[in-house]
Amino acid sequence: ETGVTQSPTHLIKTRGQQVTLRCSSQSGHNTVSWYQQALGQGPQFIFQYYREEENGRGNFPPRFSGLQFPNYSSELNVNALELDDSALYLCASSLDGGTQETQYFGPGTRLLVL
Amino acid sequence: GQQLNQSPQSMFIQEGEDVSMNCTSSSIFNTWLWYKQDPGEGPVLLIALYKAGELTSNGRLTAQFGITRKDSFLNISASIPSDVGIYFCAGRPTGGGNKLTFGTGTQLKVEL
Repeated sequence: ETGVTQSPTHLIKTRGQQVTLRCSSQSGHNTVSWYQQALGQGPQFIFQYYREEENGRGNFPPRFSGLQFPNYSSELNVNALELDDSALYLCASSLDGGTQETQYFGPGTRLLVL
Repeated sequence: GQQLNQSPQSMFIQEGEDVSMNCTSSSIFNTWLWYKQDPGEGPVLLIALYKAGELTSNGRLTAQFGITRKDSFLNISASIPSDVGIYFCAGRPTGGGNKLTFGTGTQLKVEL
């Protein structure tokens, strides 16, 4: 069974640029959630995708957007990057969107915005 | 965004000692989870709690879901060097779907 994978592992961008982060969910999982983890803090929920539809969103501006594909892999897109977007971005997959489903996290993508 | 209040912020203990950390919220949660995060990795689930008052163990780890549904604690008995890492509580607020709200983390350091 393949776990959750994310790419790239590290990324450096400059202010104003756009970035796309990718996540492959665990085999058999149809739900992906994205989190932002600033240095020294706990992860903050960005949004969740269930069967290719957004299924809940946290307190993040519209320049944070996402996609889920038919194979349930997912992308997180961030436009007009700001310095405060520097963080570890984690995706987590779960078997389905049920409220008691365990979320399995990937290793994250560390984004640095200069 | 909201984060749960987790204490202590960090702990430096001797190998073999027991450890206790807790997490509180101003609102009611219907699930409490405890994760451990090692450097360069994502959080790994340690224990999940689904009912108020529930006490669950996983090896040397024991966690409880508070009766008020606004708190939880995690105990680690007889700590070993591989217990080093950052421990996060996380919860699902009532009506929050499958969204997880995380605590601020407790960094555990174990002295040999």
